[in-house]
Amino acid sequence: IAGITQAPTSQILAAGRRMTLRCTQDMRHNAMYWYRQDLGLGLRLIHYSNTAGTTGKGEVPDGYSVSRANTDDFPLTLASAVPSQTSVYFCASRQEGAATEAFFGQGTRLTVV
Amino acid sequence: AQSVTQPDIHITVSEGASLELRCNYSYGATPYLFWYVQSPGQGLQLLLKYFSGDTLVQGIKGFEAEFKRSQSSFNLRKPSVHWSDAAEYFCAVVQGFQKLVFGTGTRLLVSP
Repeated sequence: IAGITQAPTSQILAAGRRMTLRCTQDMRHNAMYWYRQDLGLGLRLIHYSNTAGTTGKGEVPDGYSVSRANTDDFPLTLASAVPSQTSVYFCASRQEGAATEAFFGQGTRLTVV
Repeated sequence: AQSVTQPDIHITVSEGASLELRCNYSYGATPYLFWYVQSPGQGLQLLLKYFSGDTLVQGIKGFEAEFKRSQSSFNLRKPSVHWSDAAEYFCAVVQGFQKLVFGTGTRLLVSP
């Protein structure tokens, strides 16, 4: 079934550790996004990529990095996790263009202790 | 930059009653607007979208939304709510043809 796959589903991580959240899509969408969802704050954009080889910063990029080596994969890395990065992370993709819808993964629940 | 505001954090509606969820946007030109729904523990699903043409947009699950430029609004409506509609609803806008930015969401509770 075509869609977006995120891994892991959930993770408990010690503060200071490095962690990469994986995101893979098979719809050949050129735009991909990472959001974090926190109670009362909705979904906030961390980083995005409009096409392979390019990335951009969203609303809350600090502490996170991304790469887009190819069309399908868009990993999100926390170089040194802190408790404030405890959140649910969603990856999404869409075909670039203003009126196209985004498709979402099922999310990664990350707890930093 | 464009943004969206959802002024209602929670709304409780009786089953069978009508529903309206508010969304206001800020942008000078015609915005590209979306409504998504998130059921507990799930990802987001598109309900409907507006980018041009008819200002009343029909979506899935019996939802509709009306784009009102004069009020900078894109409110979501449903004439008769079902218990299965209890979820969180997000309004979103495309910024600069690139970023998809969401509002803070409205949690809908459906009472018997």
